[in-house]
Amino acid sequence: KAGVTQTPRYLIKTRGQQVTLSCSPISGHRSVSWYQQTPGQGLQFLFEYFSETQRNKGNFPGRFSGRQFSNSRSEMNVSTLELGDSALYLCASSLTGTPRQETQYFGPGTRLLVL
Amino acid sequence: SQKIEQNSEALNIQEGKTATLTCNYTNYSPAYLQWYRQDPGRGPVFLLLIRENEKEKRKERLKVTFDTTLKQSLFHITASQPADSATYLCALVVGNTDKLIFGTGTRLQVFP
Repeated sequence: KAGVTQTPRYLIKTRGQQVTLSCSPISGHRSVSWYQQTPGQGLQFLFEYFSETQRNKGNFPGRFSGRQFSNSRSEMNVSTLELGDSALYLCASSLTGTPRQETQYFGPGTRLLVL
Repeated sequence: SQKIEQNSEALNIQEGKTATLTCNYTNYSPAYLQWYRQDPGRGPVFLLLIRENEKEKRKERLKVTFDTTLKQSLFHITASQPADSATYLCALVVGNTDKLIFGTGTRLQVFP
């Protein structure tokens, strides 16, 4: 079974631009969560989608948005990029998105550098 | 304020010894706690989950304890090997929304 895939793996953008990252979950998984990882703040939860609906949201500004398609693939978008958005963006998938009962599987991440 | 603290300093130990990593939290009441391993350039990999009513959980050379009074979890790797070198993250499952809140991780280096 293929793991979680994320594209692109690396991205360089300039301030003010926008970016779209893609995540393909493990086949059969309906929950996709997005995280931002930086050396200073660690892994921070962005949002979670289940069956095309945003079910949970972290404390990030509205510039960060996402969506999920009917095949469970998910995209996240960051508009008006700032230098502080430079980070590793990770997505994780699970069957139903209940970490108390099941394992989350992480993708390799997209490394975003904002200049 | 709510905090999850893991040793920011790297932990260096000799092969064969037991590595013990600490996860302390304040102002959370997690019902569950998870531990992950993360290698450079890769996403975290789930290792163990422990529930609040479980004091200890084991899986092969790994052992996790969860003390809700001390608000602390300890993660042990016995007979450590250089292949165990990685960053280890603890994560709390909080609230009815099942959000995962991660600590910043501790880097473990096992020397031959």
